[in-house]
Amino acid sequence: DADVTQTPRNRITKTGKRIMLECSQTKGHDRMYWYRQDPGLGLRLIYYSFDVKDINKGEISDGYSVSRQAQAKFSLSLESAIPNQTALYFCATSDYRKMEQFFGPGTRLTVL
Amino acid sequence: QKEVEQNSGPLSVPEGAIASLNCTYSDRGSQSFFWYRQYSGKSPELIMFIYSNGDKEDGRFTAQLNKASQYVSLLIRDSQPSDSATYLCAVRVSGTSYDKVIFGPGTSLSVIP
Repeated sequence: DADVTQTPRNRITKTGKRIMLECSQTKGHDRMYWYRQDPGLGLRLIYYSFDVKDINKGEISDGYSVSRQAQAKFSLSLESAIPNQTALYFCATSDYRKMEQFFGPGTRLTVL
Repeated sequence: QKEVEQNSGPLSVPEGAIASLNCTYSDRGSQSFFWYRQYSGKSPELIMFIYSNGDKEDGRFTAQLNKASQYVSLLIRDSQPSDSATYLCAVRVSGTSYDKVIFGPGTSLSVIP
């Protein structure tokens, strides 16, 4: 079984809809992250969480919110999706010592 | 100024040659440096990390770090077509209120058979 899983893997939605992307991990890591990837822009950090009670904004948090339901679960919500949120979204985990990031398979989101 | 910079490429090398990928970073306090490989449509996977100045070798891969010049590189010896991918440089930056990893935009590598 994969260590970091994401659901859904693909999603097409319409402008204004609320959508949630979910991430689960079995690596036992305390830290979890949400990134988006756009062609030519690399990976950009949306939110990160060091534990269940610690949530931090990344460089592009506007229009997004997150919830850390448990150590193993970290979800990303788009309250009112817009077309420029069309991107590939990755969840990642790390432990606090090494900070090596382990990525989920990604969610391809299209907002029409 | 972007925090982590890489040449976007594409970088093309013939099979069997050495591919050299470069990365510069702006935060002098950066502690840890990572190289990830990402195949098209797939998630990034860690291939190398380096913490100290100098070279670190792992199989056909060598990471080189020069903190004084704020420069980190990845050499791939005996390049294979299967090495064709985008290579992401990442840097750990931390301060009193933050601790995170910043990714560069990636360099696309194409190994020509």
